[in-house]
Amino acid sequence: AQSVSQHNHHVILSEAASLELGCNYSYGGTVNLFWYVQYPGQHLQLLLKYFSGDPLVKGIKGFEAEFIKSKFSFNLRKPSVQWSDTAEYFCAVKVQGAQKLVFGQGTRLTINP
Amino acid sequence: EAGVAQSPRYKIIEKRQSVAFWCNPISGHATLYWYQQILGQGPKLLIQFQNNGVVDDSQLPKDRFSAERLKGVDSTLKIQPAKLEDSAVYLCASSMTGYEQYFGPGTRLTVT
Repeated sequence: AQSVSQHNHHVILSEAASLELGCNYSYGGTVNLFWYVQYPGQHLQLLLKYFSGDPLVKGIKGFEAEFIKSKFSFNLRKPSVQWSDTAEYFCAVKVQGAQKLVFGQGTRLTINP
Repeated sequence: EAGVAQSPRYKIIEKRQSVAFWCNPISGHATLYWYQQILGQGPKLLIQFQNNGVVDDSQLPKDRFSAERLKGVDSTLKIQPAKLEDSAVYLCASSMTGYEQYFGPGTRLTVT
């Protein structure tokens, strides 16, 4: 069955540190990839998405992610985090041709000022 | 543009009681999803509607959960009877294209 793994459950960083959150998926076919963010007390919001083309995609608030097909990975990065990046981050995969999104278990990110 | 609306935001019930959640998607969005998010986990799809027809309900516990979208707009998810393990946040999402999904604020259900 299709699955998504986020290996970091809780990441704690200081402001200005660099961030990389891992995401791996198990499906071998063509996929669409997403990162969603949930700030404290807010609803899930789309951070960035990959459908095709350039495997390095840029999202809102300085986030980017790189799709590496050979590694079945879609890691999220940000060169310098801010306190306001404190949130829960979810990776999600959609198999092309289907409409179902499969989410990873999420990574809680805490940024200390 | 108004977002996905859900109500209530919080609900506390006792086990074996029934509960219903309501969702109003973004105007014009034909596809509507209900997800269950248990604490510490990612959202899990319960049911997906395309207009008023069910596309995928393979993970809906049909002995106790039901959902409808009668006029192809708003939707109701019901649990009857509730169990302790149903404690979770119930998220509604909608999509126009079937690619990007927009989520509502969720309903936090506590079953005691």
